Amino acid sequence: DAKTTQPNSMESNEEEPVHLPCNHSTISGTDYIHWYRQLPSQGPEYVIHGLTSNVNNRMASLAIAEDRKSSTLILHRATLRDAAVYYCILDDQGAQKLVFGQGTRLTINP
Amino acid sequence: NAGVTQTPEFQVLKTGQSMTLQCAQDMNHEYMSWYRQDPGMGLRLIHYSVGAGITDQGEVPNGYNVSRSTTEDFPLRLLSAAPSQTSVYFCASSYSTSSSSYEQYFGPGTRLTVT
Repeated sequence: DAKTTQPNSMESNEEEPVHLPCNHSTISGTDYIHWYRQLPSQGPEYVIHGLTSNVNNRMASLAIAEDRKSSTLILHRATLRDAAVYYCILDDQGAQKLVFGQGTRLTINP
Repeated sequence: NAGVTQTPEFQVLKTGQSMTLQCAQDMNHEYMSWYRQDPGMGLRLIHYSVGAGITDQGEVPNGYNVSRSTTEDFPLRLLSAAPSQTSVYFCASSYSTSSSSYEQYFGPGTRLTVT
């Protein structure tokens, strides 16, 4: 399975943008890039996914590098509720067998 | 829609006991899966199903059985509980095709302790 590398933790301030990086240098052409987040004591929550082009939705934006070896999840205006563990995951050919790493623990300061 | 529901929320078992964790979804999703999450770790895939009557093993299947007799339900059975199976169990569901990728919806989890 293609693997991803994320920083263990990041910190930001409320109402500021947050850029969460993810490296996936061994990505294949059929791997979709997914982001999920997990709030304390809850199940993971889907954030966004993409294949080649940048994607936007009501929660976040996903910026994918031209060579697809890295991506960045962008939270445009962080709130305290965005404090969570964020997972960057590759889905091979849409097989849906997600492989969760350790993720990035995001702390938001008031 | 209720989404993905799991029961029970909490469970304590003694070593050697068996039990079934229930998972149901009302979104008519073909794909369902079970994950476990140990403290401080990411989720690991136990078993998954791409439709009624079809199941397959994930990363950590030993000690668990599944069946999928209906689209809605995907129960996970612990055959003989061991302390190493103490974990939080999450069920998930999604659409499934061979040509795209879809978001997965996760249940609230079952917190299992084996003593």
